[in-house]
Amino acid sequence: EVQLVESGGVVIQPGGSLRLSCAASGFTFDDYAMHWVRQAPGKGLEWVSLIHWDGGITNYADSVKGRFTISRDNSKDSLYLQMNSLSSDDTAMYFCARDSTAGGTLGHFDHWGLGTLVTVSS
Amino acid sequence: SYEVTQPFSVSVALGQTATITCGGYNIESKHVHWYLQKAGQAPTLVIYRDTIRASGIPERFTGSNSGNMATLTFSGAQAGDDGDYYCQVWDSTTAWVFGGGTRVTVL
Repeated sequence: EVQLVESGGVVIQPGGSLRLSCAASGFTFDDYAMHWVRQAPGKGLEWVSLIHWDGGITNYADSVKGRFTISRDNSKDSLYLQMNSLSSDDTAMYFCARDSTAGGTLGHFDHWGLGTLVTVSS
Repeated sequence: SYEVTQPFSVSVALGQTATITCGGYNIESKHVHWYLQKAGQAPTLVIYRDTIRASGIPERFTGSNSGNMATLTFSGAQAGDDGDYYCQVWDSTTAWVFGGGTRVTVL
């Protein structure tokens, strides 16, 4: 059974940094691209970032470009999101999601974790 | 940037048919995927590549995509079909785009 378990969400002050993790199990992790998707309270889904199966290609939403860094450790079946210069606009539930392909562009998000909540507040 | 538009809400009577639309310029040239998010839960895949049902999704769920509109339709509405439905596409300039979501209420 595919499982994605996010962790690392906390309450953090504006300007702070945070790293989220997503532990994957039940599938061959390095066969798939992975994404981060977020959802602000009471709002819709917003794609955040993609990383190819080997980490060689990454992509970011304009809203986080230059502040967030996605990475993965295939030896640990883990996905990460380093978040810097956080603001209240980054307050959201952060989901990791598996792409249906290794490259991500033509795929869909076929499995999602339950999410981890990041609250940016003073 | 590419945008897709969904109605804010749709209501459907128990046992009837509901249709959720996802509008975007020339959306028929893109693959549209649909997700359902029930209250307090993570999204789950319902339809991918316009028409293909995800694993475990009953045949009463169908998708289509033509012109500037994609649709998700489900017949024989059940109480468990309620939630927020999101369409999603990939665009070369905007990357992955979600619609704003449609809140479906089964009456």
